[in-house]
Amino acid sequence: QSALTQPASVSGSPGQSITISCTGSSSDVGTYNLVSWYQQHPGKAPKLMIYEVSKRPSGLSNHFSGSKSGNTASLTISGLQAEDEADYYCCSYAGNNANWVFGGGTKLTVL
Amino acid sequence: QITLTESGPTLVKPTQTLTLTCTFSGFSLSTGGVGVGWIRQPPGKVLEWLALIYWDDDKRYSPSLKSRLTITKDTSKNQVVLTMTNVDPVDTATYYCGHSTTNYAFDIWGQGTMVTVSS
Repeated sequence: QSALTQPASVSGSPGQSITISCTGSSSDVGTYNLVSWYQQHPGKAPKLMIYEVSKRPSGLSNHFSGSKSGNTASLTISGLQAEDEADYYCCSYAGNNANWVFGGGTKLTVL
Repeated sequence: QITLTESGPTLVKPTQTLTLTCTFSGFSLSTGGVGVGWIRQPPGKVLEWLALIYWDDDKRYSPSLKSRLTITKDTSKNQVVLTMTNVDPVDTATYYCGHSTTNYAFDIWGQGTMVTVSS
């Protein structure tokens, strides 16, 4: 069982927007603004999409955005594209004991 | 351009010690704020953070695996080594190393190396 809870799957049509939630606790997401999101296509290494809750790495499309409220972080993908179909993982820093914890992953299907 | 490459055995027997090497370029592990971490992913399963070492030799471990892991760095060779003792078939996974900085994210990942634990 992962420390962070994500929906197993989400889906949307091209052009639509979807949001993936990531629920943790006061020990991780709720305390630290150090949530990151990763995209993973089959057979590939994860790719950083969002860091520090809402920041995008340089060069990354702005149709990915992140936010946080309380113990829950969210990744929103607007204007869905076929190439967005992938698994998405959230990750949070959790202090000096647990350090980094990942979510269980969400499979995004673009219909 | 930052790159990381994992290397190690593809097959390990149960109870043996697994040694993985992450060889990197494009940054120095003696630069303040820089770290290299290890994350694994069993086939068809989710990501699990294992360990991370910082530029100042600060080492962090997953609480559930701490007793079995050791992470070290060789700054002159641009390498980070992870050893895992007493491996079990449940340790079968793709092992990734990743570059991290003060944003506590893994911004660049290696391509991963698949390790199978089987007799």
